[in-house]
Amino acid sequence: QSVLTQPPSASGTPGQRVTISCSGSSSNIGSNPVNWYQQLPGTAPKLLIYGNNQRPSGVPDRFSGSKSDTSASLAISGLQSEDEADYYCEAWGASLNGPVFGGGTTLTVL
Amino acid sequence: QVHLVQSGAEVKKPGASVKVSCKASGYTFTGYYLHWVRQAPGQGLEWMGWINPNSGGTNYAQKFQGRVTMTRDTSISTAYMELSRLKSDDTAVYYCARGQQQLLRGEDYWGQGTLVTVSS
Repeated sequence: QSVLTQPPSASGTPGQRVTISCSGSSSNIGSNPVNWYQQLPGTAPKLLIYGNNQRPSGVPDRFSGSKSDTSASLAISGLQSEDEADYYCEAWGASLNGPVFGGGTTLTVL
Repeated sequence: QVHLVQSGAEVKKPGASVKVSCKASGYTFTGYYLHWVRQAPGQGLEWMGWINPNSGGTNYAQKFQGRVTMTRDTSISTAYMELSRLKSDDTAVYYCARGQQQLLRGEDYWGQGTLVTVSS
């Protein structure tokens, strides 16, 4: 069982906007920034959002992140077929020993 | 261009040890922490620990304490993760990943992964 809670699945049609939630506690999300990863089938994870809402260079602005208290969300607008992937949230614990991950959300583009 | 290239797949028997390597290029190896993350088949990501390539200092997830050892060889810009007393549920893809210089801001480059299969 993962420390951060994500819905196991999400779906949308091309062009739609979808959001994926990530719920934690005061000892992780409530204390530290949230990062998001995209994992396409058979590949390594890719950093999508860091520091709650910052995009690494090369990540389209269709992807955005937000955080409020002990929860965070990833939003994908203008959904495209290539967005079909698993998405993981990540945050460090208050002790700063290391990060914890959400269980992942599989996004299906219908 | 940053690259992390990991060693090839391994098959081990229960009770054995495995050592996975991660060769870095395209950046100053000693300037960034390296994390190890694993993913069991069909499962999510699990953080195992990090190594500071500059000092050799390490920090391991409590679950792996006593079984994992992370080391590095700065002369060849390579980090290693050794896991001992392997069990069947250690079967997973093991990734190395570079931590961003600003702590807590995620891992920005990942190796291709190394599949470790533990089977009798």
